[in-house]
Amino acid sequence: KQEVTQIPAALSVPEGENLVLNCSFTDSAIYNLQWFRQDPGKGLTSLLLIQSSQREQTSGRLNASLDKSSGRSTLYIAASQPGDSATYLCAVEFGGSRLTFGEGTQLTVNP
Amino acid sequence: ETGVTQSPTHLIKTRGQQVTLRCSSQSGHNTVSWYQQALGQGPQFIFQYYREEENGRGNFPPRFSGLQFPNYSSELNVNALELDDSALYLCASSAPGLAGGPQYFGPGTRLLVL
Repeated sequence: KQEVTQIPAALSVPEGENLVLNCSFTDSAIYNLQWFRQDPGKGLTSLLLIQSSQREQTSGRLNASLDKSSGRSTLYIAASQPGDSATYLCAVEFGGSRLTFGEGTQLTVNP
Repeated sequence: ETGVTQSPTHLIKTRGQQVTLRCSSQSGHNTVSWYQQALGQGPQFIFQYYREEENGRGNFPPRFSGLQFPNYSSELNVNALELDDSALYLCASSAPGLAGGPQYFGPGTRLLVL
């Protein structure tokens, strides 16, 4: 069964700290992996998309890595800010243009 | 270029009723997928439509059905609503023939079943 797991489920850090969110998946034959941000009661905002052939992607203070052989991805957030507080979702496309999501990591950045 | 839009934003129904949710895909996208997100969980794939045909289905019963129209907009219909159908319903569109390409999500419809 193709599954996606995110650890930790919740994380609270002080403002300015660098942090890492983890995502693992059970099947290395993937098309891509996407990281999303979700604010309470809202839809999904795409942060980064890593294609199967890529190792990492960067956007501003965000860096996502992909290691297919170990079935892992990390989302690194540098110099965290209170505005980064949200739930972060990892989603994998195993095929068929459909995404399998993890349960998310709820991040709180304290001022 | 407009993004993915969904209507309505919120909806309250009672158990046993039927509901129709609507999605307009991003311009040029002919593939639409629907997801259900229960509170505190990640979204779950319901089904996908490509060129007006169902193109894959997740683990959802037949009372969840859909349509896609020639302009690529889509509807999700749920019959005989149950309390557990209360969730955020998300629609996503993607570009044609682009395996591994990004999916763009709408803001969602929050359904409450009483």
